[in-house]
Amino acid sequence: AQSVAQPEDQVNVAEGNPLTVKCTYSVSGNPYLFWYVQYPNRGLQFLLKYITGDNLVKGSYGFEAEFNKSQTSFHLKKPSALVSDSALYFCAVRGVGAGNTPLVFGKGTRLSVIA
Amino acid sequence: DGGITQSPKYLFRKEGQNVTLSCEQNLNHDAMYWYRQDPGQGLRLIYYSQIVNDFQKGDIAEGYSVSREKKESFPLTVTSAQKNPTAFYLCASSSVLGEQFFGPGTRLTVL
Repeated sequence: AQSVAQPEDQVNVAEGNPLTVKCTYSVSGNPYLFWYVQYPNRGLQFLLKYITGDNLVKGSYGFEAEFNKSQTSFHLKKPSALVSDSALYFCAVRGVGAGNTPLVFGKGTRLSVIA
Repeated sequence: DGGITQSPKYLFRKEGQNVTLSCEQNLNHDAMYWYRQDPGQGLRLIYYSQIVNDFQKGDIAEGYSVSREKKESFPLTVTSAQKNPTAFYLCASSSVLGEQFFGPGTRLTVL
């Protein structure tokens, strides 16, 4: 069975500091990995994905994520946080070859960037 | 949110009433999904459809029903059998590589 763990319910960071939102996964075989962001009362917005290739993936709004197969992790990072980055972040996974079966989502991490 | 529309944005249901949430996509995606979001619980899958005229139950299908008569549309009905329907409902569709695109959501409240 596939699963995603986001070990932190809440992450607080000062504006201008680097941020990391953690994600670990469990899947049979190779994974497709995704990060989404949700602002209050809105749908989820896609940030970035790892399908294959370079382990460092760059996405929207200056975010990036590093795929680490040995640690089964896909942590989201940004070098310099903005107050506008404050939102709810979701990590998701699907196994390669699983077609259009639903993504499995973590429970989300609330990021708060303090001015 | 582009490409997927959900209506209405807010919906109020009386006890014992069935209500239907609309989801339409113009992305030409084969697969569509319905999720329920409650505070602190992330996203829970209600139903999904990988192709027209076919759909599968997700983790919390009891009290809900769906249809997929057209590729563009995947309406969700919340029946009176769903005892605690107050939540934020999200519809999504996906491409062949599985990246899901989400609509803006419908907030359902039971009066």
